[in-house]
Amino acid sequence: GAVVSQHPSWVICKSGTSVKIECRSLDFQATTMFWYRQFPKQSLMLMATSNEGSKATYEQGVEKDKFLINHASLTLSTLTVTSAHPEDSSFYICSAPGLVDDEQFFGPGTRLTVL
Amino acid sequence: AQSVTQLDSQVPVFEEAPVELRCNYSSSVSVYLFWYVQYPNQGLQLLLKYLSGSTLVESINGFEAEFNKSQTSFHLRKPSVHISDTAEYFCAVSDRGHGNQFYFGTGTSLTVIP
Repeated sequence: GAVVSQHPSWVICKSGTSVKIECRSLDFQATTMFWYRQFPKQSLMLMATSNEGSKATYEQGVEKDKFLINHASLTLSTLTVTSAHPEDSSFYICSAPGLVDDEQFFGPGTRLTVL
Repeated sequence: AQSVTQLDSQVPVFEEAPVELRCNYSSSVSVYLFWYVQYPNQGLQLLLKYLSGSTLVESINGFEAEFNKSQTSFHLRKPSVHISDTAEYFCAVSDRGHGNQFYFGTGTSLTVIP
């Protein structure tokens, strides 16, 4: 099946710094990618829909200026957490839809810890 | 928008015993249904899916789920669990149509006891 990768797999940063997370579709093109956040022992919450060549669509309650999304190519979407704070510590997961059957292919996730 | 309910947040079960993880969804429109498994500090892995056809779908590792339209349910079952089945299980629903977003349940933590 299709493969989605994320980089880095984990990152620790100081409060106030910015962190960039990459999501790549390795063997297929994705005009749309989705970014999720998962807190411990909770479900995945959709943050935003990343659209290649246009602005991302954010879910209600998600700060656009804090979580910057750039979908610059058909295989890469990036999520930048700006001025990260400890409450931003979470597991961030991206996904991309397949060509058929509405299946989503999920990346392995990025564990962000803000000290 | 869809609403997905997983009634059981934690399910402990002894090894080799049967298990059922429940999932109900809200909408009556045509949907695709999925079960994903997540091991600690890992992403989601597709376990099985229902798109159309036979209402009973199976995975390669012994899990099965049955789509029940009248009850809007998609419960996951396994007749005999193994220690390696210990993980978090998520039910997900997608409105039919390419690229539509998924709606996830809150997850069920399955713990298999030796």
